[in-house]
Amino acid sequence: SQTIHQWPATLVQPVGSPLSLECTVEGTSNPNLYWYRQAAGRGLQLLFYSVGIGQISSEVPQNLSASRPQDRQFILSSKKLLLSDSGFYLCAWNRGESEQYFGPGTRLTVT
Amino acid sequence: QKEVEQNSGPLSVPEGAIASLNCTYSDRGSQSFFWYRQYSGKSPELIMSIYSNGDKEDGRFTAQLNKASQYVSLLIRDSQPSDSATYLCAVWGRAGSYQLTFGKGTKLSVIP
Repeated sequence: SQTIHQWPATLVQPVGSPLSLECTVEGTSNPNLYWYRQAAGRGLQLLFYSVGIGQISSEVPQNLSASRPQDRQFILSSKKLLLSDSGFYLCAWNRGESEQYFGPGTRLTVT
Repeated sequence: QKEVEQNSGPLSVPEGAIASLNCTYSDRGSQSFFWYRQYSGKSPELIMSIYSNGDKEDGRFTAQLNKASQYVSLLIRDSQPSDSATYLCAVWGRAGSYQLTFGKGTKLSVIP
């Protein structure tokens, strides 16, 4: 069966610090991978998605970036965090145009 | 701009009643439709998927799809306090879109 991991689970970072969140998927190959952000009391915002190694599509221009160095690894980064970057970051995967499954999420607080 | 609309709620129902959650979507070419349940502080969990007009039942859950009306619903029978959560409707667009569009969710409270 497929499993998706995210770490860390929680993170508190000062404004202006860098960020690196990691997501890995087990039990499948060549998945589509997604990063979402959910601000407190808000809906899901798609940030990036990837349909293959090195292929990244950005949905929201901002100070975040994503990379996919391996087939089942997706990384979300920032060089300098803003207060507005606080939120619940969710990684998700699917195959083709099928059901999408979410990881446990990383709760980021920027102070 | 593809949109998925849901009533934000909160929707309160007594334990044992039927909870009815509704969703409309704007892209007439949408092909696949999903319902997710999200408990407070947790990630969304897929509970139902539906691809063709009509009803699909899974235990206490029934998803209903009407493509002509661009309408999707989720019925929860015999509602339990453990069903209290936010329910997200998600719509997969036309072929090759690679993106799910989510509604903002309806918060359901089941009162014991």
